[in-house]
This record gives sequence, structure tokens and C-alpha cells, in this order.
Amino acid sequence: GDSVTQMEGPVTLSEEAFLTINCTYTATGYPSLFWYVQYPGEGLQLLLKATKADDKGSNKGFEATYRKETTSFHLEKGSVQVSDSAVYFCALSPLAGKSTFGDGTTLTVKP
Amino acid sequence: DTEVTQTPKHLVMGMTNKKSLKCEQHMGHRAMYWYKQKAKKPPELMFVYSYEKLSINESVPSRFSPECPNSSLLNLHLHALQPEDSALYLCASSPAVLGSEKLFFGSGTQLSVL
Repeated sequence: GDSVTQMEGPVTLSEEAFLTINCTYTATGYPSLFWYVQYPGEGLQLLLKATKADDKGSNKGFEATYRKETTSFHLEKGSVQVSDSAVYFCALSPLAGKSTFGDGTTLTVKP
Repeated sequence: DTEVTQTPKHLVMGMTNKKSLKCEQHMGHRAMYWYKQKAKKPPELMFVYSYEKLSINESVPSRFSPECPNSSLLNLHLHALQPEDSALYLCASSPAVLGSEKLFFGSGTQLSVL
């Protein structure tokens, strides 16, 4: 079946540091890939998505590129802020079927 | 309106109580979902409704009973819950079930079962 593996957390960074959160997936066919973010006490919000190989999703300074050859969708941001502290979930959605989520990575950014 | 609204935000109930969680969206989405999320874990799918009909039940115990009265509303009826059912319950919607659609989540109901 489909699966998503995220790098283990938690991740702690200083403000303005570079962020990478690794995500790899296993799926049949050509799923869409997503990053969701969850702030404390809230539901998940879509951060960015990519629907086919080599697509780059971007939003609020975050980027991720759909790499079919390495089955990866790593999340990056050049300069993190304290307000980016949250839990980040990588997910995939096949053409027909339910979404599969990674275990989540907790990011803490210190001033 | 791009919101999914869930009520109540917090709920404390005893094991003999009956309560309901409510979810509403006005985006014209035809797929609605219930997820259960334990602390520091990813959401786990419970139920999926497509065009107001139950299409997926992830072997959820019968003490959880979903209902979709119309295309904008989704309820989750709770009865005789156990303490291990304490969790954040998230409602989500998407334009359709088929297709690689993103999910729009509500803020959730934090449920505590005593």
C-alpha cells in the first residue's frame, strides 16, 4: 500500500536558519503530493502541493519539488521565523482513494 | 467562504453520555471526512462521505455514528465512549473524493472522555 516517511523530529532551529524536512513516499501510479502545517490547537492547513513530476510547490517562502526518480518531496525554507513553529505533515493523494499522511515533524524556531 | 467550521471546540463527556460533533462547509464540496488525531500523531481516517452517502468506514467502532444530513453538514454522534477515544476530532472536505484533491480541515473538537 501507499506510505509516506518523514524525517524524525523534533527539529529545533534559530531564527533565519535554513530548513529542510525530508519526505519520501511509496505509491503506485502518480499521486499528488502535499505539505500540511498544523499550528497548536488548530486543524491542518495546506501549505503547498505538487501534482506531477518536477512540479515545484511554493507558499510563504516554503518550497518542495516532486522528484519521481527519488520518490521524494522535501520541504525547504531559506530563512525560518519564530511564527513557523508548528507540526509539518507530508501527504500523498492517489488518483482515486484516501490520503496517506507521514508521522509529522515538529519544528521549533527560537529567537 | 473557504472555511470548515466545527463545533464545539472542546467537549468533556462521561462514558455513559451521548453527544454530537458538528461540521459545516459552504464551499460546495461533495466529499466530507472525519479524522481522529491523537497528540503528536498524524490524522487517522474514520469516515468518508461522497455526495452525502457513506463511502468509506475504516472499521470504526459502532459507538461512533456519522451522519450527513445534507451536502453542507456532517455530524458525528458519540455514545458510550471509552477514555481511549479522547482525541482531537477533525472534519475535512474536498471538492470530490476521486482525484488528487487537497483537504480543507476544520479546527477540530478536542474531546475528553472521563
